[in-house]
Formats: sequence, structure tokens, C-alpha cells
Amino acid sequence: EAGVAQSPRYKIIEKRQSVAFWCNPISGHATLYWYQQILGQGPKLLIQFQNNGVVDDSQLPKDRFSAERLKGVDSTLKIQPAKLEDSAVYLCASSSRESYWGTEAFFGQGTRLTVV
Amino acid sequence: EDQVTQSPEALRLQEGESSSLNCSYTVSGLRGLFWYRQDPGKGPEFLFTLYSAGEEKEKERLKATLTKKESFLHITAPKPEDSATYLCAVRNTGFQKLVFGTGTRLLVSP
Repeated sequence: EAGVAQSPRYKIIEKRQSVAFWCNPISGHATLYWYQQILGQGPKLLIQFQNNGVVDDSQLPKDRFSAERLKGVDSTLKIQPAKLEDSAVYLCASSSRESYWGTEAFFGQGTRLTVV
Repeated sequence: EDQVTQSPEALRLQEGESSSLNCSYTVSGLRGLFWYRQDPGKGPEFLFTLYSAGEEKEKERLKATLTKKESFLHITAPKPEDSATYLCAVRNTGFQKLVFGTGTRLLVSP
């Protein structure tokens, strides 16, 4: 079974530029997550999708970050304009349709963003 | 607000020296506690899911246990290849957000 695919793996941009990340979840997984992981910290949830809909984006800096999930499958996360503090690894994860008992999420390799 | 606290932040062991990692949590209705392993430059790799107090799961040298307030990841006779960051996460009721702790960096020396 193919895992979660992310691209690009690395990206270096100047502050105030824009950048986009792409994620293809595991086939059939209804839930998709974007996390931000700053060096030395645990992953911080930015946005969680259930199929096409957003179920949580309370920690997404909406003045500069945006995300969409196309037809309930692939997703893109965009930052515009980028700030130095956005330097981090951006992780995409997916899980199967949630039941009463939560299911595990599977992660991609992440995209390491450096803002200079 | 859901919170996950892991301790210690870092742990250095000699090969064969058993120890435990702690994950304390506060969540509005637990719908699963998850342990992940993360190697440098990689995404977290799923290890275990625990759902209710008293539950235990084992995999090779790792055993995870759960109480109503915390979970432990016991590492028996670790090897250098067990060196990694171990992350704990919880799911709550409602939208079942997956909230992570800051992790424990484990280094096992030969």
C-alpha cells in the first residue's frame, strides 16, 4: 500500500515570498491533516479535513496560510507571504474514516521549509 | 484545552539499560492515545494505539501502557537502533483532533 506522498522535500525561499506544498494521502483515507513541526518541538496541528470539509483550523494563521483539499483527495498548503518564523517541517498525514474510537494517522516524509 | 506533556525531554541510555518514557495527558474524552517514533529527517512512524486504562501493547523491545492520566513507553534492553524521538498523541471526542506532545529524544549508546 502506498504511503502519504508529499512534495517538495525541501524548499528555500526569501521572506515575503509565497510557497505551496502538495500532499497525496493514502487511498481511501477520509481525514487529512497538515502539521507544522519546528525543530525540537512536537507537531502542531494547522488544519484537519474530513473529506472536502474543514473540521479544525483553529491554529492556522489565516492571514498568511491557506489550505484546500481537492475533491476530497489531494491537498495543498500555501503560505503567502512567508515570514522567518515559518521555517519548519510541514507534515501531511491521513487516517481512515473516524469511528467512535479514533484511528491512527499515517505521515508523509514532510517538506522542510527554510525562510531566509 | 487538550494537553500532552512528555518527560523526560531527552534520555541517554547504555545498550541494554531498560527505562521508561512518560506521557501525561489532559483531554476532553479520550478516543485513543498514540505512540509514534520519529527518526531525523523523517515523518513520525506509528507504533501503538491504546484506548482504555489498563490496556497494554507490545512490539519487540517496546511496551506501552495506559492509565487514566498517563501512558508509559517501556523500553527493555534497548539497542542503538532504538535511538529516535518518541512522540505521544491523543484524540479527543468531537472532531477527534490529534494533539501531540513535544517528544522524548532517546539516544542509546553501544
